[in-house]
Amino acid sequence: AQSVTQLDSHVSVSEGTPVLLRCNYSSSYSPSLFWYVQHPNKGLQLLLKYTSAATLVKGINGFEAEFKKSETSFHLTKPSAHMSDAAEYFCVVSETSGSRLTFGEGTQLTVNP
Amino acid sequence: SQTIHQWPATLVQPVGSPLSLECTVEGTSNPNLYWYRQAAGRGLQLLFYSVGIGQISSEVPQNLSASRPQDRQFILSSKKLLLSDSGFYLCAWETGTEHYNEQFFGPGTRLTVL
Repeated sequence: AQSVTQLDSHVSVSEGTPVLLRCNYSSSYSPSLFWYVQHPNKGLQLLLKYTSAATLVKGINGFEAEFKKSETSFHLTKPSAHMSDAAEYFCVVSETSGSRLTFGEGTQLTVNP
Repeated sequence: SQTIHQWPATLVQPVGSPLSLECTVEGTSNPNLYWYRQAAGRGLQLLFYSVGIGQISSEVPQNLSASRPQDRQFILSSKKLLLSDSGFYLCAWETGTEHYNEQFFGPGTRLTVL
């Protein structure tokens, strides 16, 4: 069975400082992993995805994530936070082709001026 | 390009009233379609998914039902709403042939049951 844990429910950073949103997963197979972002009262937008290609994945808006199988982690990072990055972020795992997505509980990112 | 629409954007309904939320997808054929609910401060809960017209799978027992009368239309319904049905409802689609299950989400419907 697959599962995903977002280790922080809230993260607060200052504008211009690095962002780290942590995600650990559990999967019996080689998973596909995603990060989605949700702004208030909006749908989810895909930031990036890992599908067994390069372990360092670059996404939109300067975000990237590294798949570490030995640590079962897929942490999301950005070198310099922008005010517009304030939103909720979801880590998502899909275990096998055709299996359902499993969403983490989300991490609320606050960016302070 | 593909787009996904949800209607209405917001809805306030009394307990016991019926519900109908609509989701339509444009620019793709034979998509897999999903309904999710997001309660306040919570992650997403999968409610229903459909791999084709008239084919509905329910993930959790609940007060809601879903239908897919057309290839690109997915409807979420209830005969009698409960207070616990309040939440943010998201529709999503994915290409049926994609192996990595990337899903594309609609803008959502905010439902408040009073």
